[in-house]
Order: sequence, then C-alpha cells, then structure tokens
Amino acid sequence: GDSVTQMEGPVTLSEEAFLTINCTYTATGYPSLFWYVQYPGEGLQLLLKATKADDKGSNKGFEATYRKETTSFHLEKGSVQVSDSAVYFCALSERRDDKIIFGKGTRLHILP
Amino acid sequence: EAQVTQNPRYLITVTGKKLTVTCSQNMNHEYMSWYRQDPGLGLRQIYYSMNVEVTDKGDVPEGYKVSRKEKRNFPLILESPSPNQTSLYFCASSLSGAAGGGYEQYFGPGTRLTVT
Repeated sequence: GDSVTQMEGPVTLSEEAFLTINCTYTATGYPSLFWYVQYPGEGLQLLLKATKADDKGSNKGFEATYRKETTSFHLEKGSVQVSDSAVYFCALSERRDDKIIFGKGTRLHILP
Repeated sequence: EAQVTQNPRYLITVTGKKLTVTCSQNMNHEYMSWYRQDPGLGLRQIYYSMNVEVTDKGDVPEGYKVSRKEKRNFPLILESPSPNQTSLYFCASSLSGAAGGGYEQYFGPGTRLTVT
C-alpha cells in the first residue's frame, strides 16, 4: 500500500543553519504531496504542497520539489530560526481514493 | 473566522463508557476526517467523509464509529473505549476530497483522550 517515510528525529540545529528533512513515498499513482507543520500544543497546518511532478512548493522560506524519479519530496530551508522549532509531517493523497497518508513526523529543535 | 472546532479538548474516562467527540467546521467543506496521533506512529487516519451520509474507513477504524448527518458536523464515537484508544485526536476538513485535487486540510486543535 501507499506509504510515506521521513527521517527520524529529533533534529537539532543552530539558528541560521541549513535544514533538510528527507521524505520519500510509495504510491501506485500520481499523488499530491504535502508538508504540514505542528507547533507545540496546536493542530497541524499546511506549510506547502505540490500536485504534480517537478512542481516546487514554497512558503515562509521553506521549499520542497516533487521528484517523481526518486519518489521524494525533501523539505529545505536556507536559514532556520528558533521559531521554526516544531514537528514536520510529510503526507500524500492519492488520486484513486480519498485517503491521506502521513509520515511519522520529524521534530525540529533550533538552538539560539 | 474560518475554523474547525473540537470538543472536549481534554477527556479522561474509564474503559467501556461510551463517549462522543464532536467536530464542527464553518467553511462549508465537503471532506472531513478524523486522525489519531501517537508517539512514534505519527498521524493515522481513522475515518473520513466525502459528504453528507458518505463515510469510509481509514487505516485504523476498529473501535470507532462516525456519522455525517449534516455537512458541518462529523462526530467521532467510541462505543466501548479501551486503554489502547488513549491518544491525541484531530479532526480536519477540506474543500473537497483528496483525490485529484491536492486540497489543503484544516485541522482542529485536538482532543487529548485518556482511557483508564
């Protein structure tokens, strides 16, 4: 079945460091791909998305490119801030049904 | 303000005592869904609904029921809760179904349930 695999956390970085959180997926069709972020004590909120191959989603300095050839959707940011500390979830939705599959989440901790 | 609300936010109950967690959205969304979040397991979909009177099982539906009698409401029912249903639960809604649209989901604030 469909699945999403993202790097284990927690990830600890210093402020202004470069961030990469890896995400790979398994799907039978052509899914839409998402990154959601969960700040402490809150629900998830959409960070960015891409709906077809080679699309790049971007928001708040974060970027991710839909790579069909490597079935990946890695999240990147050039210079992280303390306020980026949160849990990040990669997710996919298939076109053949309406289920949504989430990865296990990666906790990010940014040190000042 | 566009939002998804859940009640209660916190609930402690005992094994076997039926409970309902309510979920309501004010965005006229067609698609609604319930998830549970557990450490090391991430978010797992319990049930979802494409529209009124249309519901489908997600990945972990055992022990749960849902109903969709009105477009705005999607309650989660635990008829006989057990300790393994202790979790953080999220309701979410989106404009339309996931298939083909890549629509953003809007999440509620979560309900922390403890079953003793």
